[in-house]
Amino acid sequence: NAGVTQTPKFRILKIGQSMTLQCTQDMNHNYMYWYRQDPGMGLKLIYYSVGAGITDKGEVPNGYNVSRSTTEDFPLRLELAAPSQTSVYFCASSYRVTTGELFFGEGSRLTVL
Amino acid sequence: QQQVKQSPQSLIVQKGGISIINCAYENTAFDYFPWYQQFPGKGPALLIAIRPDVSEKKEGRFTISFNKSAKQFSLHIMDSQPGDSATYFCAATYNNNDMRFGAGTRLTVKP
Repeated sequence: NAGVTQTPKFRILKIGQSMTLQCTQDMNHNYMYWYRQDPGMGLKLIYYSVGAGITDKGEVPNGYNVSRSTTEDFPLRLELAAPSQTSVYFCASSYRVTTGELFFGEGSRLTVL
Repeated sequence: QQQVKQSPQSLIVQKGGISIINCAYENTAFDYFPWYQQFPGKGPALLIAIRPDVSEKKEGRFTISFNKSAKQFSLHIMDSQPGDSATYFCAATYNNNDMRFGAGTRLTVKP
């Protein structure tokens, strides 16, 4: 009963490095999301996907890229890490795109130095 | 632009007391208002949600009060317990692709 699984849980990057945050869900949800959480700012949507092969920008997409080759996986890529990308990243999925429960992973804490 | 404003930022309540967290929204197109609970080191989890066609929804010790004309809604936690200590986020949306979260309230319930 894994739900939404994110890896890694923690990562330190140097400015300019690249990395991919992995997200996998086993609930057969078509809809998946990436959020970032900053202190005192709540959660902000980076990218979302309504199904395999379909992705779209959220509120704060700059500096990130995503892909969705399968229903289960939705990786988030940071190409040129900047200190402003220091944050906690959450992947989520839902069974419908209108409204309904978002199921979140446990988060990935990224520090860019 | 903060479309959902949440207060207070932090809240300390004695065990058995009532915790109240308030949120205000701007977009009248929003038609779904969930509250998420987050424990340290974990992702947020849905606690309770309401749609604007009702003024109140209760689930156990948790109640959402909704005031459509004022564009405000609040979470009440009755008989607050130390296990309720967490960060609470209100949110508003008309679809999951554009869910706007409040800044969060860190609740501490003292034994």
